[in-house]
Amino acid sequence: GAGVSQSPSNKVTEKGKDVELRCDPISGHTALYWYRQSLGQGLEFLIYFQGNSAPDKSGLPSDRFSAERTGGSVSTLTIQRTQQEDSAVYLCASSYDRERLFFGSGTQLSVL
Amino acid sequence: QKEVEQNSGPLSVPEGAIASLNCTYSDRVSQSFFWYRQYSGKSPELIMSIYSNGDKEDGRFTAQLNKASQYVSLLIRDSQPSDSATYLCAVNPRDKLSFGAGTTVTVRA
Repeated sequence: GAGVSQSPSNKVTEKGKDVELRCDPISGHTALYWYRQSLGQGLEFLIYFQGNSAPDKSGLPSDRFSAERTGGSVSTLTIQRTQQEDSAVYLCASSYDRERLFFGSGTQLSVL
Repeated sequence: QKEVEQNSGPLSVPEGAIASLNCTYSDRVSQSFFWYRQYSGKSPELIMSIYSNGDKEDGRFTAQLNKASQYVSLLIRDSQPSDSATYLCAVNPRDKLSFGAGTTVTVRA
């Protein structure tokens, strides 16, 4: 596609529910990243994929967070048993050289 | 110590002036350095990359790198209202970009 696509753009959920966030990277980009940005804060690294494997999962905040990537393309970030502190904008980015990142428009997650 | 630290904002400059943004990083193995611009409510977009010590100019933007001092800066010359945004410094020590918290710049008309 022309750019990184994320869905949904907004998600409102109740505390304790599971959510799935989707990212469709730029075609041909082998690296895919998930970041989280809370209001007025910088970008917090969550996880990075090279192809379908995740060499670095160090940023996942807890075992409630997981992510997968299939076919070297689409990635899904899953948050189980959501908590209010999970509320943030979740940004996906893809890259062809693991340096220049191209970001999607993000998913605004609100946990009530 | 945070991996990437930026000078606290917000930074307010008059139109036509130079905006100066600073960034320091902690991991000496870092070899790649970037500046991203993020408009309010939008995603970050890459505006500059720099890999070698010295200055790199691109239009009204100049990035400066000093690896010995672990310091990166961004100068915006002839600042325009359209430059009003948050500028994020990013450093790539080991295959993942680490971002600073950002400096918000407001250009006064």
